[in-house]
Amino acid sequence: NAGVTQTPKFRVLKTGQSMTLLCAQDMNHEYMYWYRQDPGMGLRLIHYSVGEGTTAKGEVPDGYNVSRLKKQNFLLGLESAAPSQTSVYFCATQLTVGSYEQYFGPGTRLTVT
Amino acid sequence: GNSVTQMEGPVTLSEEAFLTINCTYTATGYPSLFWYVQYPGEGLQLLLKATKADDKGSNKGFEATYRKETTSFHLEKGSVQVSDSAVYFCALGESNTGNQFYFGTGTSLTVIP
Repeated sequence: NAGVTQTPKFRVLKTGQSMTLLCAQDMNHEYMYWYRQDPGMGLRLIHYSVGEGTTAKGEVPDGYNVSRLKKQNFLLGLESAAPSQTSVYFCATQLTVGSYEQYFGPGTRLTVT
Repeated sequence: GNSVTQMEGPVTLSEEAFLTINCTYTATGYPSLFWYVQYPGEGLQLLLKATKADDKGSNKGFEATYRKETTSFHLEKGSVQVSDSAVYFCALGESNTGNQFYFGTGTSLTVIP
């Protein structure tokens, strides 16, 4: 039982390059989230999904796209990376609505030069 | 709207000292409240939670009580250990906002022997 996994763990991009971050879960959770963590700013929600085939914008969605074609996977894409997107990205899952906690992956450290 | 405000850090304590990290919230409905802990280089892990007013969450010697009258959820531990050194996040989850979570900015704790 791996829980929540993220691929890759580290990545360095040049400005303008694109990439996709993969989040996979084996807990059969309905909800999945992408956050970014920056010093002094806590976690900010980028996009989230309440089920397979659905996505919604969070607090800071600009410059990112997401897809959830399968229930267990949630992809975060950067179409044209910018230095402002240098951050640590966390994926999280949640069973469903209500008082349930979120479970986090180990994070992806992205540097854009 | 919903938000979480937590005590600025960093906090440095000697081993066996008493710990309090303050957290207050604003919410439009009836949220659940959480404390997460993040060890260096890792994702966030749930420390404890409380789902309704006057509930007390507890785990590993940490406690927090959901106080609706003061909109607070302060984290306490009677005797900290070096292994408690980490960043602590207070969070609010409310199902009537698409089940989004709102995180505080985090409080870094260092415990010295």
